[in-house]
Amino acid sequence: GQNIDQPTEMTATEGAIVQINCTYQTSGFNGLFWYQQHAGEAPTFLSYNVLDGLEEKGRFSSFLSRSKGYSYLLLKELQMKDSASYLCAVRDPAAGNKLTFGGGTRVLVKP
Amino acid sequence: DARVTQTPRHKVTEMGQEVTMRCQPILGHNTVFWYRQTMMQGLELLAYFRNRAPLDDSGMPKDRFSAEMPDATLATLKIQPSEPRDSAVYFCASGLNSPLHFGNGTRLTVT
Repeated sequence: GQNIDQPTEMTATEGAIVQINCTYQTSGFNGLFWYQQHAGEAPTFLSYNVLDGLEEKGRFSSFLSRSKGYSYLLLKELQMKDSASYLCAVRDPAAGNKLTFGGGTRVLVKP
Repeated sequence: DARVTQTPRHKVTEMGQEVTMRCQPILGHNTVFWYRQTMMQGLELLAYFRNRAPLDDSGMPKDRFSAEMPDATLATLKIQPSEPRDSAVYFCASGLNSPLHFGNGTRLTVT
């Protein structure tokens, strides 16, 4: 089976840093994705990790440890527009390479 | 920018009626996913196609739901008969390798 866990909600202050953790247990692994979803909108792709280590994209970074089944998304210099849900998803070749999502973490940025 | 197009954006129907949702994937993408999103369950995978062939529809209630790809430019998701518990946002996503691109969703309300 597949199990992907992330916190339900986090609150942070504008300008600060927030780290959203994601742990997964899957039969196989072929990449971990982070998506951002604003209320009432579609998820949009943020980052992709398939090898261990840190991927940096501007204010957003994502880290992966395959041995620990663990990833995090780091949001730096938070802006009000970063208030959204952040979804962790794992692609599992043992499950036909389908993409399975965690429940999402709602991040609220306060002034 | 190429995008996944879903119609209709909103659908309100009465219990027992047939509902058909349509998706036009991005040209050249060979995988198409149907997801359902609710507050309680998050993003659930309903069905998954690669090169128009269904690979996995284990997440879909077979007695009332059906998903097809009559051609490479059209994917459909049908519910017959619809029930109030089917009320949700239905997303279509397409991809070629990675990552997935999501459509804006169909918000379905069954009364």
